[in-house]
Amino acid sequence: DVVMTQSPLSLPVTLGQPASISCRSSQSLVHSDGKTYLSWFQQRPGQSPRRLIYTVSNRESGVPDRFSGSGSGTDFTLKISRVEAEDVGVYYCMQGTHWPRTFGQGTKVEI
Amino acid sequence: QVQLVESGGGVVQPGGSLRLSCAASANYNMHWVRQAPGKGLEWVAFIQSDGSKTNYADSVKGRFTVSRDTSKNTVYLQMNGLRTEDTAGYYCARDLLGGPKDWGQGTLVTVSS
Repeated sequence: DVVMTQSPLSLPVTLGQPASISCRSSQSLVHSDGKTYLSWFQQRPGQSPRRLIYTVSNRESGVPDRFSGSGSGTDFTLKISRVEAEDVGVYYCMQGTHWPRTFGQGTKVEI
Repeated sequence: QVQLVESGGGVVQPGGSLRLSCAASANYNMHWVRQAPGKGLEWVAFIQSDGSKTNYADSVKGRFTVSRDTSKNTVYLQMNGLRTEDTAGYYCARDLLGGPKDWGQGTLVTVSS
């Protein structure tokens, strides 16, 4: 199975400052169709997860543009350009290239 | 707008069975994802929109079965041989572009004697 490793697992942030989360996969996430199926999810306290980013760098509709995704192959990053109070929660990466699908351990973002 | 409503959770003894349902607004490729109390997300299973393809996490293979009734736009997760470690909130989620895009509110399964 593909192991997804996130770092850090806990991220204290300052409002208005940037933040960055790393996600590494144990195998390349490039699919045979040429796409790289790496997604990022946000889970606020008491809520269902919400997908922010798909195929590495594409933002879902309604996601603020302060969120951005980048990376390739096995190394990926989620960046928040200026953290806002509503960004508190746990962030997960997930690979959608190989079966079984696998999530990272989660990164807790707190002010 | 995509609507997903899970049901069927509850308390069951170890070794018991439970069937979860996920009523959707249409027939989509669907995932089941679970989250143990205070823990991270764990992918559980996938079923294609026509039911022709399924996949499972190793932790549930042979015990859980995902199926669907396309006439009812409903996906099921039959869980047999339940263990205490299966205690979790279970979410169904619509697949789009390689991952779960739209999520339900979840249903809680507690395995305890």
